[in-house]
Amino acid sequence: DQQVKQNSPSLSVQEGRISILNCDYTNSMFDYFLWYKKYPAEGPTFLISISSIKDKNEDGRFTVFLNKSAKHLSLHIVPSQPGDSAVYFCAASAELAGANSKLTFGKGITLSVRP
Amino acid sequence: DGGITQSPKYLFRKEGQNVTLSCEQNLNHDAMYWYRQDPGQGLRLIYYSQIVNDFQKGDIAEGYSVSREKKESFPLTVTSAQKNPTAFYLCASSSDRLNTEAFFGQGTRLTVV
Repeated sequence: DQQVKQNSPSLSVQEGRISILNCDYTNSMFDYFLWYKKYPAEGPTFLISISSIKDKNEDGRFTVFLNKSAKHLSLHIVPSQPGDSAVYFCAASAELAGANSKLTFGKGITLSVRP
Repeated sequence: DGGITQSPKYLFRKEGQNVTLSCEQNLNHDAMYWYRQDPGQGLRLIYYSQIVNDFQKGDIAEGYSVSREKKESFPLTVTSAQKNPTAFYLCASSSDRLNTEAFFGQGTRLTVV
């Protein structure tokens, strides 16, 4: 049973437009959410995170929105650039359940930004 | 520079042999993790360790073993009992602070021939 779901396997957008990557979760104990970016044959790199006490976190071109009642979060990238083309993983943890709480990942979404 | 190092980057193993993947970090992190990535499967947790000399099974621990004798090191052994060992293996570490991200190594691509 997948606790973190990224239902769309891929997304293609035009350079300069907004990319919206969606993620849903089922475990109500999750209280910390992260997005990672991954290139082929490399390790994921941390992008942005959000705590469950917030509904928005912004860092430059990247904004993450959290809707706790819907158990849904989204990553907005604006404007999208060709270098943003990668696989994006949504991850969640139940921090208050204990320190060093393990991350549960979604299956990832492949973003392609067309020049 | 601080970081997390996995070696080797590519590894070939004959069927029926055990193989050990190395993971070292100099970030002074307490927690370390091993994930496996397969196409269309995302990252699945194999084992994790929150402190030296202690570790717990993740979601897909069968056919794997780990040790945590030192804070800096968390090697993963892929045993002959692992039915589908060919995959991309990722090691990660994190501090004991709340709401902090995990840092990943560059991964090891294991191929069974």
